[in-house]
Amino acid sequence: GQNIDQPTEMTATEGAIVQINCTYQTSGFNGLFWYQQHAGEAPTFLSYNVLDGLEEKGRFSSFLSRSKGYSYLLLKELQMKDSASYLCAVLDSNYQLIWGAGTKLIIKP
Amino acid sequence: NAGVTQTPKFRVLKTGQSMTLLCAQDMNHEYMYWYRQDPGMGLRLIHYSVGEGTTAKGEVPDGYNVSRLKKQNFLLGLESAAPSQTSVYFCASSQDRDAQPQHFGDGTRLSIL
Repeated sequence: GQNIDQPTEMTATEGAIVQINCTYQTSGFNGLFWYQQHAGEAPTFLSYNVLDGLEEKGRFSSFLSRSKGYSYLLLKELQMKDSASYLCAVLDSNYQLIWGAGTKLIIKP
Repeated sequence: NAGVTQTPKFRVLKTGQSMTLLCAQDMNHEYMYWYRQDPGMGLRLIHYSVGEGTTAKGEVPDGYNVSRLKKQNFLLGLESAAPSQTSVYFCASSQDRDAQPQHFGDGTRLSIL
């Protein structure tokens, strides 16, 4: 079967750095997405990786290793508004997104 | 620019009732999707459409039907609602199926009693 694993919950301090990991086992790979979802709201797109390496976008960076089936989302200079769930999703061989359950990130002052 | 609009935002149904969830997008996207989101689980694809007049089954299609008569609209129907269909339903759209991100509506919170 297809599986996306990410931690259920993480806690970090305002101004710090946090890394959210995602491991996957899917039938084929056509890219990996990270989305942010605030409580009660819609998921919004953060990043896309299809090749190995690091993609940087402001305070957020996303890393991919296809050989290891592994990705992480790195959030720097954490702000209170970063408190949200972060969803990892893999585009499989049928070009359907397989979603992880999400990591709830709690930011403390 | 509204993006993806879902109606209604909330609904309570009794077991056995039927209803239709509406999704409209104004981005001229070809691809549209219906997901459900349940606590502790990832989003699960119910049905999707790759263009006007086409629909296809996703991971959890049983108990649902869809139609895409116009490019901008994607309707999700519950034929005979069951308590197991209590969930948050999200509609999404994308320009293409690979590298393009999906844009989501605000969701419909549906409770089946």
